[in-house]
Amino acid sequence: GAVVSQHPSWVICKSGTSVKIECRSLDFQATTMFWYRQFPKQSLMLMATSNEGSKATYEQGVEKDKFLINHASLTLSTLTVTSAHPEDSSFYICSAGASGGSGRSEQFFGPGTRLTVL
Amino acid sequence: DAKTTQPPSMDCAEGRAANLPCNHSTISGNEYVYWYRQIHSQGPQYIIHGLKNNETNEMASLIITEDRKSSTLILPHATLRDTAVYYCIVRVGNTGNQFYFGTGTSLTVIP
Repeated sequence: GAVVSQHPSWVICKSGTSVKIECRSLDFQATTMFWYRQFPKQSLMLMATSNEGSKATYEQGVEKDKFLINHASLTLSTLTVTSAHPEDSSFYICSAGASGGSGRSEQFFGPGTRLTVL
Repeated sequence: DAKTTQPPSMDCAEGRAANLPCNHSTISGNEYVYWYRQIHSQGPQYIIHGLKNNETNEMASLIITEDRKSSTLILPHATLRDTAVYYCIVRVGNTGNQFYFGTGTSLTVIP
């Protein structure tokens, strides 16, 4: 299947700093990518939809000025957590869709990035 | 919002079939049923999906009821490596549409 990578796999930063997380589709192009956040023992929560060449669409309750998303190419989307605070510590996961046959599609997920804000 | 209901946890003996149920009573005619699993601290892994016919691949089988209001994921011979959280998701089959995850079923395969 298609491969999605994330970088870094984990990051520790000080409170108040900004952190950038990259999501790449390695062997396919993705006009749309998605960003999720997952707290311990909880399910994945969709944060935003990243659209190549246009502004991201954020889910209700997600601050667009805090979580900056850039989708500059068909294989790369970035999530920047600005002025990070300890409550932003979480597991961030991206995904990208690839088309199968007969209108079916699969969503491939990255391995996730563990963010710890001190 | 998630449109599926799953039991929070299940156990299965190693080597036996694991049958994971999912209710999706409000599914629309153009929505597919997807199954993913997540092993601890990893990204979700695609298992299988279907529209209305039963599906089988190298990992699992998907049984969808005739009214499409529920489905069952079957792992035919569960191994310890199948211990994970399994998510059932319904979504229109388009790469631009979001996945909304429910709480999933935590499957523990017991030696």
